[in-house]
Amino acid sequence: SQQGEEDPQALSIQEGENATMNCSYKTSINNLQWYRQNSGRGLVHLILIRSNEREKHSGRLRVTLDTSKKSSSLLITASRAADTASYFCATDLLTGGGNKLTFGTGTQLKVEL
Amino acid sequence: EPEVTQTPSHQVTQMGQEVILRCVPISNHLYFYWYRQILGQKVEFLVSFYNNEISEKSEIFDDQFSVERPDGSNFTLKIRSTKLEDSAMYFCASKGGSGRAYNEQFFGPGTRLTVL
Repeated sequence: SQQGEEDPQALSIQEGENATMNCSYKTSINNLQWYRQNSGRGLVHLILIRSNEREKHSGRLRVTLDTSKKSSSLLITASRAADTASYFCATDLLTGGGNKLTFGTGTQLKVEL
Repeated sequence: EPEVTQTPSHQVTQMGQEVILRCVPISNHLYFYWYRQILGQKVEFLVSFYNNEISEKSEIFDDQFSVERPDGSNFTLKIRSTKLEDSAMYFCASKGGSGRAYNEQFFGPGTRLTVL
């Protein structure tokens, strides 16, 4: 499988519910970043978690990182219709120069009223 | 708040034509990147650029592609002879510096390239 795979591929919830998206990766990382993309639009940086961190919060977002399992999760609490978007994890690998990001396949989140 | 900008937002071209996609990274950023996203697929790294030279490039970034920072503000991606499969959304990104304080990459809104 590929570096950076999210599951589920699609998630549909009601407004006010929590949404959890997971990301798995294969090789050692420097950090992992989560981005949001509204349909056909650009990528918005949400949060970065470093390899020596286990949990990070930003507003309604909570990110966890388990380097032993090579996985991360993004939790959006009290979701809103405006959270409807695709969410991607991106890994910044330890090897290689330039800190390129390797993106996952994304989770399409739909928050219904 | 500073942001990465890209022009044009949509470019339509004929197969075999040259295109130049333009980006203005966040000022005082030092690292610059191009990524692309074919419709319905994941975002793929193309090239990274630092200190006026390419620091890393992917297999996608063949001889048909080139990047340039012609002045202190613009960062361009040129595709010499476009193919149908070059149709994609192209994203520019920039990063402040090296070291732990500068890990976030900030992306522009993208240029949608359509090759007919």
